[in-house]
Amino acid sequence: DQQVKQNSPSLSVQEGRISILNCDYTNSMFDYFLWYKKYPAEGPTFLISISSIKDKNEDGRFTVFLNKSAKHLSLHIVPSQPGDSAVYFCAATEWGGSQGNLIFGKGTKLSVKP
Amino acid sequence: DTGVSQNPRHKITKRGQNVTFRCDPISEHNRLYWYRQTLGQGPEFLTYFQNEAQLEKSRLLSDRFSAERPKGSFSTLEIQRTEQGDSAMYLCASSLQGVRVSPLHFGNGTRLTVT
Repeated sequence: DQQVKQNSPSLSVQEGRISILNCDYTNSMFDYFLWYKKYPAEGPTFLISISSIKDKNEDGRFTVFLNKSAKHLSLHIVPSQPGDSAVYFCAATEWGGSQGNLIFGKGTKLSVKP
Repeated sequence: DTGVSQNPRHKITKRGQNVTFRCDPISEHNRLYWYRQTLGQGPEFLTYFQNEAQLEKSRLLSDRFSAERPKGSFSTLEIQRTEQGDSAMYLCASSLQGVRVSPLHFGNGTRLTVT
């Protein structure tokens, strides 16, 4: 039973355009969300996070949007660069829950073509 | 910040053998986590430590698995009587505080193949 779903296994985007990666969740107790990026043969690296008290968080080229009513979040990368090609994981944790347990989606592989 | 270090990078073992992995966290981080990632899946939580205390264990951590962090620094993850289903990437991460405050810094993982 996947509580965090990334329904697009892959996404291909032209360099300079916008990349939009989507994530849906089923657990209404989730209130903190994160995006991690993973290159081959490396561990995931933290990208950006958002608390449920916000609906948007921005960090440079990366913006995360949260729609609580739809239980949906998205990561926007503008402009996309070839170095952004990686697998992107959405993760969530719930209020009052584990201090160590992040629930990850299966990931979306982003390819940015020059 | 030298990052989280995991050894070995790869381990091939025969079914039924025991294996042990080591994780050296970022030195000032008092929290250490173990996750497992299988093909096509995201990382799944196994256990975490605050200093030397193991505070939480996932139901994925069967009794064949044991993790230790004896002096609150490095950690080991041992799998006894390995099974083919244990084949996965084992990821270690560390952080200054809990997941809601400090991002997890992951190592590059140990890939286990059980034949």
